[in-house]
Amino acid sequence: QMQLQESGPGLMKTSESLSLTCTVSGGSVNSNYWSWIRQSPGKGLEWIGFIYYSGNTKYNPSFGNRVTISVDTSKNQFSLRLISLTAADTAVYFCARGSTGDFDFWGQGTQITVSS
Amino acid sequence: QSVLTQPPSVSGAPGQRVTISCTGNNSNIGAGYDVHWYQQFPGAAPKLLIYGNTNRPSGVSDRFSGSKSGASTSLAISGLQADDEAAYYCQSYDGSLSAVVFGGGTKLAVL
Repeated sequence: QMQLQESGPGLMKTSESLSLTCTVSGGSVNSNYWSWIRQSPGKGLEWIGFIYYSGNTKYNPSFGNRVTISVDTSKNQFSLRLISLTAADTAVYFCARGSTGDFDFWGQGTQITVSS
Repeated sequence: QSVLTQPPSVSGAPGQRVTISCTGNNSNIGAGYDVHWYQQFPGAAPKLLIYGNTNRPSGVSDRFSGSKSGASTSLAISGLQADDEAAYYCQSYDGSLSAVVFGGGTKLAVL
């Protein structure tokens, strides 16, 4: 059974840059699409973007140029970088398998809190 | 304000059948994009319940079913059980926004 696990800092300050990593086990990042999704009380579930194992990406336009998703096939991981954080970026961040269709495997989520 | 509209809450007695609606527009559901449904318990990740409007992943009970008509879809849960109490979310793709979109979620209470 495929499992995904997010790892990240937990607490960030405004204007800082967030880096999260998702480690895939029980399967390979190869030949799959991988997404980042976040959930906050204010905005609900919000798709951030996806990456294909080859490196092709697509981002939610609502994030502008703040988002970068990358993949490391040698480590079976993919990562999220979100710059210029504000309090509105406070959320639980999930990694998941999928692109613009369904998401069939999810990580447990990691809470990111942004404060001044 | 979510792009896909769901009722905030629904309720039913054990054994009953409930439906949860998900309404979009001609840029998402009405444009023919598939709808997927998720079940989420507090503190846990969403779990895929229905994909491609009507399909159940392996291991999901046949008490859960999905339907689609035009720009609206529904999730039906029959034979309600206490452990069905959770939040349910619909999800699709919006061609105008060029983004995956979710409903605001519906909390199911089993009375």
